Order: sequence, then structure tokens, then C-alpha cells
Amino acid sequence: EVQLVESGGGLVKPGGSLRLSCAASGFTFSIYSMDWVRQAPGKGLEWVSFISSSSSYIYYADSVKGRFSISRDNAKNSLYLQMNSLRAEDTAVYYCARDISPGAPRGDNWFDPWGQGTLVTVSS
Amino acid sequence: SYELTQPLSVSVALGQTASITCGGNNIGSKNVHWYQQKPGQAPVLVIYRDSNRPSGIPERFSGSNSGNTATLTISRAQAGDEADYYCQVWDSSSWVFGGGTKLTVL
Repeated sequence: EVQLVESGGGLVKPGGSLRLSCAASGFTFSIYSMDWVRQAPGKGLEWVSFISSSSSYIYYADSVKGRFSISRDNAKNSLYLQMNSLRAEDTAVYYCARDISPGAPRGDNWFDPWGQGTLVTVSS
Repeated sequence: SYELTQPLSVSVALGQTASITCGGNNIGSKNVHWYQQKPGQAPVLVIYRDSNRPSGIPERFSGSNSGNTATLTISRAQAGDEADYYCQVWDSSSWVFGGGTKLTVL
């Protein structure tokens, strides 16, 4: 069974840092790109970041560029999101999702499946 | 930046057909994907590349895309179809989601 399990969420003060992890199982992790998507409480989905299968292509949403860093360890079947300089508006459930494309996204790729998410709360 | 516009809410009578639109400039030239999200759950892919259904998604779900509007159609709506629905496209090195539509089955 394909499974994605996020961890690392929690309460952090503004300006603080947090590292999210996403453990993948049930598929060949190294041949798929991955994405992080977040959802603020009561709000819609917001794409955060993309990383290709070999980490050759990385993209960020403007809202997190320069503060967040995506990475992966194919040997450990794991995806990461390092979040620095956190703000109250970063409060959200963070989902990792498998991206069907191995390389640079062209739009004809999609997300399937998604993990259950991990909640990040930025508050003093 | 590219914007996708969805109605905030759509209502449909049990057993009838619901249509959820996703508007965007020349969206017909892009691949549109649709996700269903039920309360407290992660999103689930229901349509990819405009009109393709993943395995396990009922045939009642269909999609189309032309001009400035993509549409998700749910035929013979069931109570279990109540959820938020999001459209998605890729534009200028960024994934873009619509604001989401809450489907209510009456």
C-alpha cells in the first residue's frame, strides 16, 4: 500500500524554525517527484514546494521563498521541509504528496496520494 | 500570477447532477486536475488531465476543459460526495489551486 506519513509539526514561536519529515512506503520513492502543500485553518490548499526525483529541480511558492528549504533522502525514502523565520501566517496543516512526474513539472503531472498532514502552529 | 476562480459553494439534490467550475485565463490550454477533500481528511485525486479518472473513482465523476473554464461534473450525486473540491494547474513554475468549492447534497 502506498503510504505517506508526515511528522515534525508542532507549536513554534514567530521567527523560529521547524523541520518537517515525510516517510514514504509502498512505492519506489526515488523515481517520483514530491511536493509540500499546506492548508491554513478553514482555508483552501496552497502549494508550498516541489522537488524532482533526483533533486535536480526545486521550486518554491513566493510566500516561502528564501525561508523554506525542501530536500529528500532517497536512501531513507524520506522528504523534508526545513522552515525558518516562521510567521503566524505559516500556521497550517502541511501535507506531503507524491507527484507523478519524475522530472521538472510540465503541468501534465498530478498529486497522488497525499499524506494525512502535520499541523504547524506559529504563535507566541 | 495565474488565478483560478471557483464558486464558494454548490448545492445539488440527491441523485441529480452537480457541476463545479474552475475559471482561468485560457485554462483550456492547460492540464487541470481535481481533488476532493472531506472534513478532517487529506485531499484525494478525482480527475487528472482534464477528464481522466484514477482507478477507484466512480464513473459518476467526469471532467471537461475548454476556453476559460474547466468543469467537474458529478452525476447521480450521493451524500458521500459532500466535500470541498479543488482544481489545480501548473503555471510559471508554480502549482496553482483554485479557492475550493463546497459541495452540499440536499
